[in-house]
Amino acid sequence: GQSLEQPSEVTAVEGAIVQINCTYQTSGFYGLSWYQQHDGGAPTFLSYNALDGLEETGRFSSFLSRSDSYGYLLLQELQMKDSASYFCAAPGINNAGNMLTFGGGTRLMVKP
Amino acid sequence: DTAVSQTPKYLVTQMGNDKSIKCEQNLGHDTMYWYKQDSKKFLKIMFSYNNKELIINETVPNRFSPKSPDKAHLNLHINSLELGDSAVYFCASSQRLAGGSTFLNEQYFGPGTRLTVT
Repeated sequence: GQSLEQPSEVTAVEGAIVQINCTYQTSGFYGLSWYQQHDGGAPTFLSYNALDGLEETGRFSSFLSRSDSYGYLLLQELQMKDSASYFCAAPGINNAGNMLTFGGGTRLMVKP
Repeated sequence: DTAVSQTPKYLVTQMGNDKSIKCEQNLGHDTMYWYKQDSKKFLKIMFSYNNKELIINETVPNRFSPKSPDKAHLNLHINSLELGDSAVYFCASSQRLAGGSTFLNEQYFGPGTRLTVT
């Protein structure tokens, strides 16, 4: 099966940099993706990593190390609107049906 | 021009009732999903469906059944509702990539349906 672990909460100040970690245990591995969810809203896709290394998209970057079964989401120049929950996700065994297993989510609180 | 829409947004019902949640996507995607998010915000896949196959998460009770009248719709039927079914249910869709990993395709989520069973 799949298991993804994330910290439950992270707090940072506006303008700072924050890193949200995700460790995983999977029967097979097809990559790691990240989703953002504001309170009362729907999850929205941020990024994915199929290979090791850093992927940058504006203020957000995502990193993957398959040898360490570890990835992280890096948020730079934090803004108040970045306060949300962030989920890492990975597809299931054999990527059947592209069914994603999500981590428990990390609630990010950005303070002024 | 909402990409993935769900109705109703809120659903309050009593234990034992049967209810349905509708989902439509206008993105032309070939795969649709249902997720359940509980009060602790844990997001869990329930079903994956395209016009060829239905894949069911083995932990989902058979009181839950997806029904797809066409490629753009995937409705969720729930029979004999229980208190523990109270949650937010999200529909999502994605497009499989031809010849490549089906993982490398983002999933688009609907706004969610908050189901409360009393």
